[in-house]
Amino acid sequence: AQKVTQAQTEISVVEKEDVTLDCVYETRDTTYYLFWYKQPPSGELVFLIRRNSFDEQNEISGRYSWNFQKSTSSFNFTITASQVVDSAVYFCALSEAYSGGGADGLTFGKGTHLIIQP
Amino acid sequence: DTAVSQTPKYLVTQMGNDKSIKCEQNLGHDTMYWYKQDSKKFLKIMFSYNNKELIINETVPNRFSPKSPDKAHLNLHINSLELGDSAVYFCASSQRGKTSLRNEQFFGPGTRLTVL
Repeated sequence: AQKVTQAQTEISVVEKEDVTLDCVYETRDTTYYLFWYKQPPSGELVFLIRRNSFDEQNEISGRYSWNFQKSTSSFNFTITASQVVDSAVYFCALSEAYSGGGADGLTFGKGTHLIIQP
Repeated sequence: DTAVSQTPKYLVTQMGNDKSIKCEQNLGHDTMYWYKQDSKKFLKIMFSYNNKELIINETVPNRFSPKSPDKAHLNLHINSLELGDSAVYFCASSQRGKTSLRNEQFFGPGTRLTVL
């Protein structure tokens, strides 16, 4: 069975600090996909990134960067020079290539509530 | 232009009633989903629907039934509503194609259901 763990329930930092959100996953599949979504206070779910299990390259997009390490089954997310607008709940999610007959939706972690204080 | 839309945004109803939530996507995707987000913000897949193949998460009560009139719509019908059904329900869509590729899912704005 697949599982995603976001051990940090809530993180609070002061604006301009860097912050890393941790994500650890479990899967028996060799082919799988990892995602990060942002849920701001307004409630919608915003897609941030998708990474497949064959691509361990780290990615940077502006102030956002992602570190994928298969050896530790982790897919961590770093925000550099955080801003108040980054305040949101961030979800890490996993999807296996073969769902084993179950619904092939995303398995989400419980989310990390990130608070950026001015 | 809204990619995935849901109606209504808010739904307040009494226990025992039957209600529906509508979902439409204009992205041309072939797969649609319903998720439930509980009061602790935990998101869980309920259904996926691809080319008339419905896959149901085994934990979903049979009071919940998705209905898809066409590829662009996947409505959620709930019978005999219970207090525990109160949650935010998200519709999502993605393009799967003929492979097991898992592309990103795009979510609707959510429907907040409150059962009194």
